[in-house]
Amino acid sequence: AQTVTQSQPEMSVQEAETVTLSCTYDTSESDYYLFWYKQPPSRQMILVIRQEAYKQQNATENRFSVNFQKAAKSFSLKISDSQLGDAAMYFCAYPGGNTPLVFGKGTRLSVIA
Amino acid sequence: KAGVTQTPRYLIKTRGQQVTLSCSPISGHRSVSWYQQTPGQGLQFLFEYFSETQRNKGNFPGRFSGRQFSNSRSEMNVSTLELGDSALYLCASSLALAGPQETQYFGPGTRLLVL
Repeated sequence: AQTVTQSQPEMSVQEAETVTLSCTYDTSESDYYLFWYKQPPSRQMILVIRQEAYKQQNATENRFSVNFQKAAKSFSLKISDSQLGDAAMYFCAYPGGNTPLVFGKGTRLSVIA
Repeated sequence: KAGVTQTPRYLIKTRGQQVTLSCSPISGHRSVSWYQQTPGQGLQFLFEYFSETQRNKGNFPGRFSGRQFSNSRSEMNVSTLELGDSALYLCASSLALAGPQETQYFGPGTRLLVL
């Protein structure tokens, strides 16, 4: 079965500090995308960042960046200069064959002022 | 471009009733997928529609059904509601049929409460 594992159910970070959320996955595909989605209390699922697996360069979107280790099937999200608005559930996901997206169970991030 | 829209945003039904949820994808997107999110099971894939045809289906009973119209708008229907159907139902759209290199964008969700 295709799986996504987020080993940190909850994390907290001080405002302006940096935090890293972990994700491992299992796929037999060679070329694929990987995603981090954010779900704030409004429950809207927002795309944070996308990594193209065939690219060696790690994706970056403003304060958000990834550390992608293809051989290890690891895909972590780093949030720099954390802000109060970053508080949310974060889901790692990838396309899972007959399932458009397979999601991890999520990491709840709290930001402390 | 307008994002994915879902209606209604909130719904309260009683057991045994049926419900229809609607999703309008981003303009130009032809694929619509539906997910159910509950605290216990997390995010689970229901089905995907592309060009008015169901292309993929998750592991849900036949009470859950859907359809897609020629303008790519999609509806999902749940018949004979059960308490366990209480959930957030998320719709997502993508340009093409979901695949390893396709990106899905989500709507705000419909929160269904079954009493």
